[in-house]
Amino acid sequence: AQSVAQPEDQVNVAEGNPLTVKCTYSVSGNPYLFWYVQYPNRGLQFLLKYITGDNLVKGSYGFEAEFNKSQTSFHLKKPSALVSDSALYFCAVRDIGGSYIPTFGRGTSLIVHP
Amino acid sequence: NAGVTQTPKFRILKIGQSMTLQCTQDMNHNYMYWYRQDPGMGLKLIYYSVGAGITDKGEVPNGYNVSRSTTEDFPLRLELAAPSQTSVYFCASSETGVRGGTDTEAFFGQGTRLTVV
Repeated sequence: AQSVAQPEDQVNVAEGNPLTVKCTYSVSGNPYLFWYVQYPNRGLQFLLKYITGDNLVKGSYGFEAEFNKSQTSFHLKKPSALVSDSALYFCAVRDIGGSYIPTFGRGTSLIVHP
Repeated sequence: NAGVTQTPKFRILKIGQSMTLQCTQDMNHNYMYWYRQDPGMGLKLIYYSVGAGITDKGEVPNGYNVSRSTTEDFPLRLELAAPSQTSVYFCASSETGVRGGTDTEAFFGQGTRLTVV
């Protein structure tokens, strides 16, 4: 079975400060990991993914994420937050050796204050 | 490139009514999915399809049905609507489920907000 946890329902950060949105996962084999963003009244948009290779993955809008196999984590980061980054963020996982279907976390609401 | 298109965007149903949520994608993706999103609960998989003619149940299939007669279309049918089906429904597709494939991210539609009263 595969699962993903986003331990924070909400993250608050001031504009210009670095931000981190946390994600941990559980799979029986090796993971494919994804981050998506959802703006109000919109569908989810793909941000970045880890398949293999470098543990630091760079994606859209200046976001990056670090894959840590020993801690089974894939935290989303950005060096300097913008008010426009305020949205709902979802982490997702697929087990390379198992189901092809992604499992999503519950989502973390990011609020960037001016 | 339209991507994944869902209709309608909003709908109000009375208890016991039926309806079909439409989903079509123009990316020739083999995998398609239906999720429902409830506040604070993330996305729950209702049904999925790995190709035309093949469908399977997800985590919360009760009260729903699907078909996949073509690669492009994956409609979701609600029979005998209940208040518990009030939710936002998302259709998504992805390019490959082949082991080792790298183009695996999902593309989502804009969602259908359904209220059952």
